Amino acid sequence: AQSVTQLGSHVSVSEGALVLLRCNYSSSVPPYLFWYVQYPNQGLQLLLKYTSAATLVKGINGFEAEFKKSETSFHLTKPSAHMSDAAEYFCAVSPSLYSSASKIIFGSGTRLSIRP
Amino acid sequence: GAVVSQHPSRVICKSGTSVKIECRSLDFQATTMFWYRQFPKKSLMLMATSNEGSKATYEQGVEKDKFLINHASLTLSTLTVTSAHPEDSSFYICSAREWEGGEETQYFGPGTRLLVL
Repeated sequence: AQSVTQLGSHVSVSEGALVLLRCNYSSSVPPYLFWYVQYPNQGLQLLLKYTSAATLVKGINGFEAEFKKSETSFHLTKPSAHMSDAAEYFCAVSPSLYSSASKIIFGSGTRLSIRP
Repeated sequence: GAVVSQHPSRVICKSGTSVKIECRSLDFQATTMFWYRQFPKKSLMLMATSNEGSKATYEQGVEKDKFLINHASLTLSTLTVTSAHPEDSSFYICSAREWEGGEETQYFGPGTRLLVL
């Protein structure tokens, strides 16, 4: 079985400060990992995904995440927060991207607030 | 990226009525679509996997007679909430799987907010 745990349901940072959203995964097979962002009353937008190529993955809007197998982590970072980054962020895991049986399992989400 | 639409975006209905939500892949064909439910300030819970031309696969604890799924074409899946009750009020999100280069990507719709009075 696979799962992801997001540490911290709410993170608040100042504008211009570093953003760090934590995600740890559990998987019996090499995982595929994702970060999604959800703005209020909207669907999900893919920020980035890890597919076993480079361990440092760059996404949209200046976000990146690093896959660390030894720590079973896939934390999301952005060097400098912008007010428009305020949203809900979801870490997710899937056992495969090549199987019709693959399903994406979501973490509980982290709400990111940006202080002026 | 590919676009997935949902209709309606918001619906209010009376208890006991049925509500149909549509999910369309606008610029690609999707043999598989997924339906999720999201409670306020909570994560997405996978309800079912919708397969074109065959029966949907429901997750444990999801009533298949309550949440009817039809995937009649490669670009359309529908979720019908039958005999809706206030506890069915929620945000319903669909996603559609696109295959490209042997790898899949799921694109999410904007969601449908259902309020049952």
